[in-house]
Amino acid sequence: AQRVTQPEKLLSVFKGAPVELKCNYSYSGSPELFWYVQYSRQRLQLLLRHISRESIKGFTADLNKGETSFHLKKPFAQEEDSAMYYCALRGGYNTDKLIFGTGTRLQVFP
Amino acid sequence: GAGVSQSPSNKVTEKGKDVELRCDPISGHTALYWYRQSLGQGLEFLIYFQGNSAPDKSGLPSDRFSAERTGGSVSTLTIQRTQQEDSAVYLCASSLRTSGQYYEQYFGPGTRLTVT
Repeated sequence: AQRVTQPEKLLSVFKGAPVELKCNYSYSGSPELFWYVQYSRQRLQLLLRHISRESIKGFTADLNKGETSFHLKKPFAQEEDSAMYYCALRGGYNTDKLIFGTGTRLQVFP
Repeated sequence: GAGVSQSPSNKVTEKGKDVELRCDPISGHTALYWYRQSLGQGLEFLIYFQGNSAPDKSGLPSDRFSAERTGGSVSTLTIQRTQQEDSAVYLCASSLRTSGQYYEQYFGPGTRLTVT
């Protein structure tokens, strides 16, 4: 079964501290994974996708097929990073349907 | 340009009533998706449209839920005989197309449905 697990509902850190938001997935085949972010009172938006292998707003995420993980990392958190983060898995090659995790709220304190 | 719009932004209804939620996708986007965001449940896929047809309805929770899309544009999600467990934020997204290469989904602001 296709599934995305985000074990942490809430992650609180101080500004400047490293951040790692965990994501594990279950998928038979070659997965496509994404991180979406929702800032307060804003729409859900794409943060990054694994095939791009890029860094967005200082965030990176590496797909680890052995551990079936796609953790989101940032070396130095900023207050403006406070938001809800969702890990998502593309449901199949012929669809853009997304399977989301339950989300992790990141709070960055000054 | 204009993004995905949804209406109403908030809807309060009594248990047992029918409700219609509307989604206006980005112009030119052929694929349209409905998701539901319930407290503690994350986002659940409901249905997606490619043009006016719905190849995947697998996420609709019961036969009280239905959706249609006309003219390859506006979509309406209808919930009949609403129940309290239907209370959630209903999100719509659109993308340029589906199949093959992934096209980014752009989300609307959502409709918050409260069933009393």
